[in-house]
Amino acid sequence: DAKTTQPNSMESNEEEPVHLPCNHSTISGTDYIHWYRQLPSQGPEYVIHGLTSNVNNRMASLAIAEDRKSSTLILHRATLRDAAVYYCILLGGTTDSWGKFQFGAGTQVVVTP
Amino acid sequence: ETGVTQSPTHLIKTRGQQVTLRCSSQSGHNTVSWYQQALGQGPQFIFQYYREEENGRGNFPPRFSGLQFPNYSSELNVNALELDDSALYLCASSSRGRDRVYEQYFGPGTRLTVT
Repeated sequence: DAKTTQPNSMESNEEEPVHLPCNHSTISGTDYIHWYRQLPSQGPEYVIHGLTSNVNNRMASLAIAEDRKSSTLILHRATLRDAAVYYCILLGGTTDSWGKFQFGAGTQVVVTP
Repeated sequence: ETGVTQSPTHLIKTRGQQVTLRCSSQSGHNTVSWYQQALGQGPQFIFQYYREEENGRGNFPPRFSGLQFPNYSSELNVNALELDDSALYLCASSSRGRDRVYEQYFGPGTRLTVT
């Protein structure tokens, strides 16, 4: 399975944007890029996913490089509630791969008031 | 719409014992995956059940086993507990369909401590 590389931690001030990078140089053409986050004492929660085009939802934006070897999760205005571990995960496009996430260590986001 | 629930919240067992953890999937979901999360690490995939059949397993020994019931609730059983089994156990439900990319909904987890 293709692996992802993320920084261990990032800090941000409240109400400023946060850009979380993820490298996935061995991504295959059918791998989807998923982002989940895990708040303290909770299970992971879905943030966003994409395949080739940039994606936006109410929580975040996902910018995918043209060669798909990297992506960036963008939190437009960080709040204290966004302090969490953010995971970038690749998921194969076949039903056989479905739901079998290979989590890495993720990026710990610290938001300062 | 109720979310994914897990029971118990916390559990303490002795090495060599057996444990059963339970998960109730989100309504309408037909797939459940189980994960083990050691302290300070990301979750590790244990196995997945789809329509009551095991549908893939991660790098875990056979003493980790599971069941999925007709109502799509699920159990994770661990026999012969070892100290390294101490972790947060997460279940995640999702719905497999024509659009293969459905998000997974995770429960809050069961914290298992083996002494």
